[in-house]
Amino acid sequence: GNSVTQMEGPVTLSEEAFLTINCTYTATGYPSLFWYVQYPGEGLQLLLKATKADDKGSNKGFEATYRKETTSFHLEKGSVQVSDSAVYFCALSDNAGNMLTFGGGTRLMVKP
Amino acid sequence: DGGITQSPKYLFRKEGQNVTLSCEQNLNHDAMYWYRQDPGQGLRLIYYSQIVNDFQKGDIAEGYSVSREKKESFPLTVTSAQKNPTAFYLCASSMRVISNQPQHFGDGTRLSIL
Repeated sequence: GNSVTQMEGPVTLSEEAFLTINCTYTATGYPSLFWYVQYPGEGLQLLLKATKADDKGSNKGFEATYRKETTSFHLEKGSVQVSDSAVYFCALSDNAGNMLTFGGGTRLMVKP
Repeated sequence: DGGITQSPKYLFRKEGQNVTLSCEQNLNHDAMYWYRQDPGQGLRLIYYSQIVNDFQKGDIAEGYSVSREKKESFPLTVTSAQKNPTAFYLCASSMRVISNQPQHFGDGTRLSIL
């Protein structure tokens, strides 16, 4: 079956530090890959997506590149802000439908 | 503004009681989903529906029931058979069941046992 593995958190950074959250996946075929963000007490918001190999998704300074050779979709941001503090979920959607498989989430805490 | 509305935000259940969580969307999406989120964990799929009057079990459907009588609405009932219902419940929708279509989420309902 499909699976998504994220680095365990919490990840604690100082403001303006570089962020990487690792995500690797197992799936058959060519899944679509997503990063979602969840702020405290809220639902999930789509942050970015990539639908084929070597695609780069980007939004609000965050980037992730679909690497089929390493089955990875790592999230990066060059300079984090306190407002980026949230839980980040990596997810995939396989070709059999639009069922999302989520990773366990990574909590990011950014200190001023 | 289009979006997904979940209500109530907080819900309390007594032992042996059924409760229903509401989910309404005005995005004209065909597909709708219910997820359960436990503290510090990812999301697990309870039920999903691709069209009106049709729905399928997800990974953890036991103790839950749904209906899809209207395109806009997908209520979830947590029955007394669900022995550990305390969790954060999220409803989502997407245009259709195609892998590259992102799901849009509501703000969730937090259910607790009295």
